[in-house]
Amino acid sequence: EPEVTQTPSHQVTQMGQEVILRCVPISNHLYFYWYRQILGQKVEFLVSFYNNEISEKSEIFDDQFSVERPDGSNFTLKIRSTKLEDSAMYFCASSLSGRALDEQFFGPGTRLTVL
Amino acid sequence: GNSVTQMEGPVTLSEEAFLTINCTYTATGYPSLFWYVQYPGEGLQLLLKATKADDKGSNKGFEATYRKETTSFHLEKGSVQVSDSAVYFCALSDLGNAGNMLTFGGGTRLMVKP
Repeated sequence: EPEVTQTPSHQVTQMGQEVILRCVPISNHLYFYWYRQILGQKVEFLVSFYNNEISEKSEIFDDQFSVERPDGSNFTLKIRSTKLEDSAMYFCASSLSGRALDEQFFGPGTRLTVL
Repeated sequence: GNSVTQMEGPVTLSEEAFLTINCTYTATGYPSLFWYVQYPGEGLQLLLKATKADDKGSNKGFEATYRKETTSFHLEKGSVQVSDSAVYFCALSDLGNAGNMLTFGGGTRLMVKP
């Protein structure tokens, strides 16, 4: 069964460093998403991406964040200068379309720890 | 804005007990509603969904009915198993300008004891 994969599973970085989180969505999906979950808090939407551009973003997704689909398979989230409060589990998801009733398929997550 | 509220856990039950996890929502439009489940070490998996009022979503013995009048989508199962131990997330869809974003509740951890 096709699945969304994410690497690495755990990333530890120093405050101020850049990190890139990687995701491989399901191959025929067209919409891609990043969510994050700070420990003990809700899963929060960060950004959605379609046709090589951002379609929606939340207020969390500020200038420190960027997303890219550098080739036909990877979807990345870059944090330019990490802060302590960026420590969270980051989930990538993909869906076949952007319709409200379509299932989003989630990856296992990358745990980011900023020291 | 949109929001989802679900009962806090953990919920601890014995095997074969009846499960209810409450979920209520606030939405400006007419959302679709979802329950996602997260097993230890895994990502979120869709458990069931409902897209309009009075729809009942069901899967693996779990059910939830879209109640517009009470803005609720409570998850139920008649007889839980140890393998149902996981974190359950209620969520609603929110169509933005293009594409879909999910708004999640805080998650409810279910622990089922043999």
